[in-house]
Amino acid sequence: GESVGLHLPTLSVQEGDNSIINCAYSNSASDYFIWYKQESGKGPQFIIDIRSNMDKRQGQRVTVLLNKTVKHLSLQIAATQPGDSAVYFCAENRGNMLTFGGGTRLMVKP
Amino acid sequence: DTAVSQTPKYLVTQMGNDKSIKCEQNLGHDTMYWYKQDSKKFLKIMFSYNNKELIINETVPNRFSPKSPDKAHLNLHINSLELGDSAVYFCASSQDRQGRAFFGQGTRLTVV
Repeated sequence: GESVGLHLPTLSVQEGDNSIINCAYSNSASDYFIWYKQESGKGPQFIIDIRSNMDKRQGQRVTVLLNKTVKHLSLQIAATQPGDSAVYFCAENRGNMLTFGGGTRLMVKP
Repeated sequence: DTAVSQTPKYLVTQMGNDKSIKCEQNLGHDTMYWYKQDSKKFLKIMFSYNNKELIINETVPNRFSPKSPDKAHLNLHINSLELGDSAVYFCASSQDRQGRAFFGQGTRLTVV
């Protein structure tokens, strides 16, 4: 079957450093992508999204890059803070529903 | 103000029982969803409703039955609970089927 992303890996970064979380998607027909953050005991929260007609979008301290050629999505977090520690999911929307990747756990070391 | 709220937050029950999880959204969205998150954090869609009509029903045992009394509510009823049903269930809503989804806090279901 089709899948988005990877099984749950862990990324450990030092506070203040930049973080890059990667995601691979398999359906070239997907036209909308979202990054979610899930803190322990909570539901996924929207961080940033991007449509397939763009290759970069910036938010506050976050940037999403989309490479449609290799079907790759990344989330960059600038100056990572302890509050950024969470599981991050990419999701693709193929018209009717969101399909989630396996998530990446981000751990921020003080 | 909670945008998507689901109850209960925790549910512990015995095998064979029937239970329901309720979900309400006050965002005025047309589309609501149920997702299941397993112990490895994998999120999988179960159902999607648009304006009270079922539009997506993924491969889910028919012991799971969603019910949407109105656009703002989507409840999940589970019959004859099994150990493998233990998971966190998330309700979500979106303005339309192409938009971003807003999630509730989740219901941790433990079947013993």
